[in-house]
Amino acid sequence: DAGVTQSPTHLIKTRGQQVTLRCSPISGHKSVSWYQQVLGQGPQFIFQYYEKEERGRGNFPDRFSARQFPNYSSELNVNALLLGDSALYLCASSLLRGTAGTDTQYFGPGTRLTVL
Amino acid sequence: QKEVEQNSGPLSVPEGAIASLNCTYSDRGSQSFFWYRQYSGKSPELIMFIYSNGDKEDGRFTAQLNKASQYVSLLIRDSQPSDSATYLCAVKWIVNTGFQKLVFGTGTRLLVSP
Repeated sequence: DAGVTQSPTHLIKTRGQQVTLRCSPISGHKSVSWYQQVLGQGPQFIFQYYEKEERGRGNFPDRFSARQFPNYSSELNVNALLLGDSALYLCASSLLRGTAGTDTQYFGPGTRLTVL
Repeated sequence: QKEVEQNSGPLSVPEGAIASLNCTYSDRGSQSFFWYRQYSGKSPELIMFIYSNGDKEDGRFTAQLNKASQYVSLLIRDSQPSDSATYLCAVKWIVNTGFQKLVFGTGTRLLVSP
């Protein structure tokens, strides 16, 4: 079975530009979460979507937005890019069955964003 | 604020030795704990999860959980150079039905020398 896929793999943008990152979850998974990982740090939670609705948001500015489509794929948008937005952006998918603690998140390969 | 603490390392062990990676967490109500391995430039890969106090073994890996001490660890037996990576500890925070997120530590870098 195919795992989580993300595109593009790498992206170079300049300050002030906008970027869209894409994610396709594992087949059958209905929840997608986005994380940002800067060099030397653990991933930081940005958004969770489940059944096409935003279920949670991390401590990120409004320049970050996302959505989930009927096929459960997702896009993360970042506007007015700053140098500090340079990071590895990770998408994770899970089944998310209620509040089951056994639900596990599986990560895609990530998109490396560089802002110049 | 949910926090997860790890020693950043590097932790250096010789090939064949046992590597012990440790993690503490701040939220006493946490129920689910995960270990991910991340090679340089790659995304995190799930190694193990543990929910109950005690030990859980999977091949060369053993996860240990002590909820009273708010402590989770990962033991890697017969360490191999290919185990050299950053190991991320993550704690699941269930905010409500439909909203769960992982809170990660900064990771421990493991170096296994031949």
